[in-house]
Amino acid sequence: QVQLQESGPGLVKPSETLSLTCTVSGYSISSGYYWGWIRQPPGKGLEWIGSIYHSGSTYYNPSLKSRVTISVDTSKNQFSLKLSSVTAADTAVYYCARLLITIFGVVIDYWGQGTLVTVSS
Amino acid sequence: QSVLTQPPSVSAAPGQKVTISCSGSSSNIGNNYVSWYQQLPGTAPKLLIYDNNKRPSGIPDRFSGSKSGTSATLGITGLQTGDEADYYCGTWDSSLSAGGVFGGGTKLTVL
Repeated sequence: QVQLQESGPGLVKPSETLSLTCTVSGYSISSGYYWGWIRQPPGKGLEWIGSIYHSGSTYYNPSLKSRVTISVDTSKNQFSLKLSSVTAADTAVYYCARLLITIFGVVIDYWGQGTLVTVSS
Repeated sequence: QSVLTQPPSVSAAPGQKVTISCSGSSSNIGNNYVSWYQQLPGTAPKLLIYDNNKRPSGIPDRFSGSKSGTSATLGITGLQTGDEADYYCGTWDSSLSAGGVFGGGTKLTVL
């Protein structure tokens, strides 16, 4: 059974960099699929952040692209998110997920439980 | 402002049927498969429908999906109180800035 678990600070100061890691168990990241991040501000809907393939190929949300870096560490079976210059608007529950991206579209078949990150001084 | 448009809320009585719409454009729904996700209160989203109308293992056939042109629809029959949740449509946007997009979500209330 594929499982994903987010980890990282729950509180980040404005203008600093938010850093989260997702640890995958039950499946090798190197075996395929894209791995990505989705966020959900309190009381609001889902927002795609970006995704990465084990080879390093990435897709980023254009509205966040200048501040986002997603990387993968296949030796640890982990992938990570860095979001720079955060503001209160970046306060959200951050989910990591497994994604199947093909020429036909995208399917998110496994999700982590989510971790709340609050941006506040 | 979400790329895909869903009604904020729908409601129906137990045992009844409800549909949730998702509207997009030719760069997303019009040329890509649609997925639907169910988010029960306080939990992570869960895949409910993929490739417009396919159900993952374990999802009952009370849930169905369809797509026509630039719109998609999620149908739920035999409503149960346990179906109360937020439902999101999602797909790929094939514009110059390719990436995943979601609807704003629809809250289903089972009266």
